[in-house]
Amino acid sequence: AQSVTQLGSHVSVSEGALVLLRCNYSSSVPPYLFWYVQYPNQGLQLLLKYTTGATLVKGINGFEAEFKKSETSFHLTKPSAHMSDAAEYFCAVIAPLQGAQKLVFGQGTRLTINP
Amino acid sequence: NAGVTQTPKFQVLKTGQSMTLQCAQDMNHNSMYWYRQDPGMGLRLIYYSASEGTTDKGEVPNGYNVSRLNKREFSLRLESAAPSQTSVYFCASRRQIWSYEQYFGPGTRLTVT
Repeated sequence: AQSVTQLGSHVSVSEGALVLLRCNYSSSVPPYLFWYVQYPNQGLQLLLKYTTGATLVKGINGFEAEFKKSETSFHLTKPSAHMSDAAEYFCAVIAPLQGAQKLVFGQGTRLTINP
Repeated sequence: NAGVTQTPKFQVLKTGQSMTLQCAQDMNHNSMYWYRQDPGMGLRLIYYSASEGTTDKGEVPNGYNVSRLNKREFSLRLESAAPSQTSVYFCASRRQIWSYEQYFGPGTRLTVT
């Protein structure tokens, strides 16, 4: 079975600073990994995904994430935070080779941007 | 193209009342899902439907029933609401064959008093 751990339920950074949101996964087979963003009072929106191929993936709004198999990690980064990045972020995993139908989500990390 | 729509947006129920949450998607997706979101717990899967005509339990199915009415619609029913079912409910859908990302609706905020 797959699982996801997001380190830090709350992260606060200054506008213009580096954003780093941590995600570690557990999977016995090659996983597909996702980051979603949830703005206040809205549904989840896909930021980026890793399936196969290049381990550094770029998403919307200047975010990117790197799949590191040796560290079982898929951390989300953005070089320079913007006030509009304030939201909750969810990491998710699925194992297609196991015929999995269900995404498994982390607990979420709330990102606050300080002016 | 509205994507995934959910009705209602807000609902307040008394303990023991019943209600149905509606979800529809216009993307011709095969699979549909119901989640609940509670603070600090991420999203937990209640039920899902891998394809029209099939439904399966997720992580937290107790107290809920679902109906996959047709390819577009997937409803969630609370037969006898309890305060523990106070939550935000999200519906999602995905194309099945080669795409695993899910597309989410805007959510229904349910309060049971």
